[in-house]
Amino acid sequence: ETGVTQTPRHLVMGMTNKKSLKCEQHLGHNAMYWYKQSAKKPLELMFVYNFKEQTENNSVPSRFSPECPNSSHLFLHLHTLQPEDSALYLCASSQFSEVGGYTFGSGTRLTVV
Amino acid sequence: AQSVAQPEDQVNVAEGNPLTVKCTYSVSGNPYLFWYVQYPNRGLQFLLKYITGDNLVKGSYGFEAEFNKSQTSFHLKKPSALVSDSALYFCAVRDGNYGGSQGNLIFGKGTKLSVKP
Repeated sequence: ETGVTQTPRHLVMGMTNKKSLKCEQHLGHNAMYWYKQSAKKPLELMFVYNFKEQTENNSVPSRFSPECPNSSHLFLHLHTLQPEDSALYLCASSQFSEVGGYTFGSGTRLTVV
Repeated sequence: AQSVAQPEDQVNVAEGNPLTVKCTYSVSGNPYLFWYVQYPNRGLQFLLKYITGDNLVKGSYGFEAEFNKSQTSFHLKKPSALVSDSALYFCAVRDGNYGGSQGNLIFGKGTKLSVKP
């Protein structure tokens, strides 16, 4: 365990479903991130939260809706997804004021059918 | 805007031989550089980082990387590869001159390392 926990590990959903991905960190970090990992493509930064405030939305479609109720929890709400949204969704956290890298969770493997 | 290039989709090495995984970067300010490794069905694990100081950085599992400012490169190396090193390797850069969005970690597309016995 890295200190960043993602649930569920695997998710299969239909295009009309609504589901949520959860991320929790126990590291005392104040910044959290959602990345999308698709095969043979760079990791795509989706959303950034610093001190619970969203500071970046990288032109992500509105069918992805993030929520950060506190510095330890991050959600990604999903609705009316497309098959091309199938990917590994990774959560990460960091201490925003520090120079170091990020700590990642194990990811949620999402399949849209 | 910063960017990272990993020119090789895959690197094949025989066990015991040295390995190199290439990375070049582009930032407007001072680069903070990172290598991560990803094993199947796992998240990314931190290997090493360059922030400042000695250009040769040593990290986990015997890996090291050399920062070359003139070539804007940060290649990952290991003197003797192990079969267990087989995984996906990601290079990442952060612009050290900024906070906020320009300070976010930007990743390359990854290089698959395959080490054969």
